[in-house]
Amino acid sequence: GESVGLHLPTLSVQEGDNSIINCAYSNSASDYFIWYKQESGKGPQFIIDIRSNMDKRQGQRVTVLLNKTVKHLSLQIAATQPGDSAVYFCAEKEDSSYKLIFGSGTRLLVRP
Amino acid sequence: SAVISQKPSRDICQRGTSLTIQCQVDSQVTMMFWYRQQPGQSLTLIATANQGSEATYESGFVIDKFPISRPNLTFSTLTVSNMSPEDSSIYLCSVSGRTGFYNEQFFGPGTRLTVL
Repeated sequence: GESVGLHLPTLSVQEGDNSIINCAYSNSASDYFIWYKQESGKGPQFIIDIRSNMDKRQGQRVTVLLNKTVKHLSLQIAATQPGDSAVYFCAEKEDSSYKLIFGSGTRLLVRP
Repeated sequence: SAVISQKPSRDICQRGTSLTIQCQVDSQVTMMFWYRQQPGQSLTLIATANQGSEATYESGFVIDKFPISRPNLTFSTLTVSNMSPEDSSIYLCSVSGRTGFYNEQFFGPGTRLTVL
């Protein structure tokens, strides 16, 4: 299928290793942050979210870390699998707004 | 979560023509959004479509170029008018629904448009 991440930074990891995808966000007033996964030929899919009053949240095989001091968000994927290969986007939002602001994205490639 | 479908899934069009993209949701939603994703780039919000009122456009997008309809709570269309090669993008429909902490946005599969 047509790729959406032709020019995006790429992270290549070995299957079974842990992956860390980073995102620098722009708005210090953002209250809510989300990670999306976009596979080739599909729309973005929700992975995990976190509020600004938290610094860590865990899901199934995924952990999101938030550092408001340096406006940095990271997504950690444990035991990365071939099905994790996709483009990952962070997004931010203020409570007062319905608008999601998307980051630039990172392509994750999982080597077998 | 909401199930969103879009038609067409992809199209190749000639410059100067227009294409209307349809978005259908399996449940009634208040807010529907249209995004553009240019090749190798992230998502940019075009406009918000609310039933019963005119769409709200983001900076850099105008109604003459991207007219939107929202006839009911499950359906919306986006038209890309007088197309040029710069309009080649993926166009994504999104709706707001409840999961996680807040109303999250669910996305359709996208419409891949190539303008020659």
